Amino acid sequence: GAGVSQSPSNKVTEKGKDVELRCDPISGHTALYWYRQRLGQGLEFLIYFQGNSAPDKSGLPSDRFSAERTGESVSTLTIQRTQQEDSAVYLCASSLGLDYTGELFFGEGSRLTVL
Amino acid sequence: AQSVAQPEDQVNVAEGNPLTVKCTYSVSGNPYLFWYVQYPNRGLQFLLKYITGDNLVKGSYGFEAEFNKSQTSFHLKKPSALVSDSALYFCAVRDMSGYSTLTFGKGTMLLVSP
Repeated sequence: GAGVSQSPSNKVTEKGKDVELRCDPISGHTALYWYRQRLGQGLEFLIYFQGNSAPDKSGLPSDRFSAERTGESVSTLTIQRTQQEDSAVYLCASSLGLDYTGELFFGEGSRLTVL
Repeated sequence: AQSVAQPEDQVNVAEGNPLTVKCTYSVSGNPYLFWYVQYPNRGLQFLLKYITGDNLVKGSYGFEAEFNKSQTSFHLKKPSALVSDSALYFCAVRDMSGYSTLTFGKGTMLLVSP
């Protein structure tokens, strides 16, 4: 597609429920990133996919968080047993992964509110 | 480990005046440096980057940034601010020497008054 697409744009859920957030990167971009943006805390790296390599999961805050990516296409971020502190905007980005000098292209984010 | 510091949570400037948004970084090798802007309820948009070469980098919307290796800084500047420049600005760094992800600062809110 023309840009990075994320869905849903807004999600309200109850504490303890599982949620799935979807990211559709720019066609041809081999690298895909997930970041979390909590109010007043900037962007927090979560996970990075590059082609068929093993993902870099070093930023995932707990084992309740997981992400998958099918080939070089769509990615899903799953949060199990959501907690109120999970409330944030989850941003997905993609890039031409082999070009470390290149910029990341961001989607508009999925705003998660855990009640 | 790499890190970015944006010491100001908010910068206020009057329209037409010059603006500076500060950023300092820390990496083990040489840096790739970026500035992004985020408008309300939107994703981040790329403004400019420093990879190598001239220390003064020009980007979108009239913004520029100066790379200063000795001070490990990459401050964002614009000679004449516009009200429409009001947004949240993020500085980011990546280590040039090897594989690494992009690390962002906490962001600086720029408010330009008419």
